[in-house]
Amino acid sequence: EDQVTQSPEALRLQEGESSSLNCSYTVSGLRGLFWYRQDPGKGPEFLFTLYSAGEEKEKERLKATLTKKESFLHITAPKPEDSATYLCAVQANTGGFKTIFGAGTRLFVKA
Amino acid sequence: EPEVTQTPSHQVTQMGQEVILRCVPISNHLYFYWYRQILGQKVEFLVSFYNNEISEKSEIFDDQFSVERPDGSNFTLKIRSTKLEDSAMYFCASGTHSTDTQYFGPGTRLTVL
Repeated sequence: EDQVTQSPEALRLQEGESSSLNCSYTVSGLRGLFWYRQDPGKGPEFLFTLYSAGEEKEKERLKATLTKKESFLHITAPKPEDSATYLCAVQANTGGFKTIFGAGTRLFVKA
Repeated sequence: EPEVTQTPSHQVTQMGQEVILRCVPISNHLYFYWYRQILGQKVEFLVSFYNNEISEKSEIFDDQFSVERPDGSNFTLKIRSTKLEDSAMYFCASGTHSTDTQYFGPGTRLTVL
């Protein structure tokens, strides 16, 4: 069964304190792995898509990496406005376009 | 910048009633999705829709649910007879390709009493 597990559940950082969020996945053939940001009461906001092991993508203070079993979202020198829930999702390379989400990591960045 | 819109933002209904949640995807997108998120829980896939037909649906998407693209712009989710456990935030998403970015709407909060 396809599965996504994110850790930690919650992460508290001081402003400027870099860290990484983990997404472990089990999927029968990966079509794509997605990172989203979700603010309370809002829809997920797209950050990155990764397709194959070794791929990396960056956007401002965020960098996403992918291996055959997991993905990391690295946050460099975070600011309070980076506080949000970060969601990881995978789409399997089988049949339709079912996308499976992890439970997310709630990030709190304190000034 | 184009965006996915959803109406209504909040829908309150009595158990057993039918509801229709509406979405206007981004105009040149071809792939459409519905998700739900029960308060405090993960985002759950309901259904994907491409080329005017369902491409995949989850176990949640039983006979009470249906989707339709009645014209070139709207994408709707109908729940025929709502249950208390259908209370959740429902998100519509659209994309240009199956593995491309899925752009999410702001959601409709459904409350079933």
